[in-house]
Amino acid sequence: DTEVTQTPKHLVMGMTNKKSLKCEQHMGHRAMYWYKQKAKKPPELMFVYSYEKLSINESVPSRFSPECPNSSLLNLHLHALQPEDSALYLCASSQVQTSTDTQYFGPGTRLTVL
Amino acid sequence: GENVEQHPSTLSVQEGDSAVIKCTYSDSASNYFPWYKQELGKGPQLIIDIRSNVGEKKDQRIAVTLNKTAKHFSLHITETQPEDSAVYFCAVSNSGGYQKVTFGTGTKLQVIP
Repeated sequence: DTEVTQTPKHLVMGMTNKKSLKCEQHMGHRAMYWYKQKAKKPPELMFVYSYEKLSINESVPSRFSPECPNSSLLNLHLHALQPEDSALYLCASSQVQTSTDTQYFGPGTRLTVL
Repeated sequence: GENVEQHPSTLSVQEGDSAVIKCTYSDSASNYFPWYKQELGKGPQLIIDIRSNVGEKKDQRIAVTLNKTAKHFSLHITETQPEDSAVYFCAVSNSGGYQKVTFGTGTKLQVIP
């Protein structure tokens, strides 16, 4: 089973709201990733967690706050977002964080910021 | 950093014909080259990958070739079917201390029945 699940599927929020995106995998993977994808563009890496510790932050604004409560779960907390943050947010996981390890993607959360 | 170019950006083929998508990269240390298929409203799904010690890999109708000297790799889909219609991304992974995947710009493939 190579399934990564994400909830919610769609999210609409105002600029003053606080919301969270959730990602889950039960493949025993120890690396998890957040990506942002704008329309007709490739995914852009935001954060990487390795063994539940944040290992990469690609200079993402602080209004995005990741959290990895355990090896199966990854959250992305959102606060005071801007309309330009509207995008598809993808979660991915891989066995470990190595250069040749396959990443498996979830279906994404479509976020709209009003 | 790594730079990945992908061509063409759009590709229309008749059902049953072959489709070829090409990518070039800049970092000679890159050693992992996956291809992802993304259907509308879904996340990218790995369809095939190749590692730098292999020149070609095939899985049924899909094949990938790698030329490390020229720093380019290609996706070949034979006997295309309407369900192959999607956006395809090539990707390159560096060989540094962590895995950062750099994606190409994507190719929208349309298979005309």
